Amino acid sequence: AQSVTQLDSHVSVSEGTPVLLRCNYSSSYSPSLFWYVQHPNKGLQLLLKYTSAATLVKGINGFEAEFKKSETSFHLTKPSAHMSDAAEYFCVVTGDSNYQLIWGAGTKLIIKP
Amino acid sequence: DAGVTQSPTHLIKTRGQQVTLRCSPKSGHDTVSWYQQALGQGPQFIFQYYEEEERQRGNFPDRFSGHQFPNYSSELNVNALLLGDSALYLCASSPGGHTEAFFGQGTRLTVV
Repeated sequence: AQSVTQLDSHVSVSEGTPVLLRCNYSSSYSPSLFWYVQHPNKGLQLLLKYTSAATLVKGINGFEAEFKKSETSFHLTKPSAHMSDAAEYFCVVTGDSNYQLIWGAGTKLIIKP
Repeated sequence: DAGVTQSPTHLIKTRGQQVTLRCSPKSGHDTVSWYQQALGQGPQFIFQYYEEEERQRGNFPDRFSGHQFPNYSSELNVNALLLGDSALYLCASSPGGHTEAFFGQGTRLTVV
């Protein structure tokens, strides 16, 4: 069965410094992978998705993620953090049938001024 | 484009009661999925509707049921509410065959 592990429950960085949010997945086949962001009292927004094309995926707001099959990882990065990036981030993998999404527990990103 | 809309935004119910949550998908989307997000956790898949049929179900009891209408809108019904059903309920829509999902703002259900 598919599963997702987000390695950090909280990540704290200073504004202007790089962001790294780590995600490992387990899948018996080649899944689709996503990163979603959830700002307080707002809905979930898709940041980026990997669907077996280029392994380096660029998303919105300067975020990108690299799919590494050998390491079963899909880490999210951003070169320079902004205060508006403070939110909860979820790594997601498609389930067995591709009809459901399997979610990680989330990583809370804290930006220090 | 209004995106995915859910109603109501907040709801307070008593244990044992029944609740109905509603969702209108994004224009052009024919598939609706429902998720439960408990506080501090990631969303958990409840079920997905396509062509007015439940296509797949997650690990939720039969107290959770749903419906999809011909206009693709959907309802989530929960019977015999438990305190543990308190959560944010999210509706997501997608065009048939696509895995990318667009989410509504959610309905915050509190069971007292």
